[in-house]
Amino acid sequence: QVQLQESGPGLVKPSQTLSLTCTVSGGSISSDSYYWSWIRQPAGKGLEWIGRIYTSGSTKYNPSLKSRVTMSLDTSKNQFSLKLTSVTAADTAVYYCARAGESGSSPSAMDVWGQGTKVTVSS
Amino acid sequence: DIVMTQSPDSLAVSLGERATINCKSSQSVFYSSDNKNYLAWYQQKPGQPPKLLIYWASTRESGVPDRFSGSGSGTDFTLTISSLQAADVAVYYCQQYYTTPFTFGPGTKVDIK
Repeated sequence: QVQLQESGPGLVKPSQTLSLTCTVSGGSISSDSYYWSWIRQPAGKGLEWIGRIYTSGSTKYNPSLKSRVTMSLDTSKNQFSLKLTSVTAADTAVYYCARAGESGSSPSAMDVWGQGTKVTVSS
Repeated sequence: DIVMTQSPDSLAVSLGERATINCKSSQSVFYSSDNKNYLAWYQQKPGQPPKLLIYWASTRESGVPDRFSGSGSGTDFTLTISSLQAADVAVYYCQQYYTTPFTFGPGTKVDIK
């Protein structure tokens, strides 16, 4: 079955760019119609949807982060990625990647999640 | 943004008893063109990612025990655990995927009494 695995630096300095990758195994990121999302969770807090990228490459971002977020697909590596610029301590969280299927022309619920990767923003 | 609220914040239920969690959205998440409520429930245990339990408000994900059930429509939804097991101790989140940004409820912590 499909599995997702996040990777990237666990420590990022303030004002720098957070870069994470989600590697998809057990399925092709481009052969089916899926939405690939990033979600984050500060320690002891709730879940925040960051944004998603469709199989075609189209993106939707959370307006609260939109000016700082970029998502992209790398079909040759079966990966998708997240870049978050100008990070502050408020961006410290566990970052998850997840997959959602398609229902009609809309996404369904997120049925496959990565294990998460902890990112700390600190000098 | 659609604001999701949950009640209670936490609850403790005896083993084998029923647990009920409520979720309310600030606007309807029912899409009339396909007659579906764009509402999901997730279970999260410590140190683990969220796990999808229910989607379309009432459809159980494959492999999820049938003691979990979802109901409701429009703006008011309920997750019911019919007979609480020790393995069900977790935080439960509702989430709307009707419109972006997708938003989650604050979570309800379920414990054993």
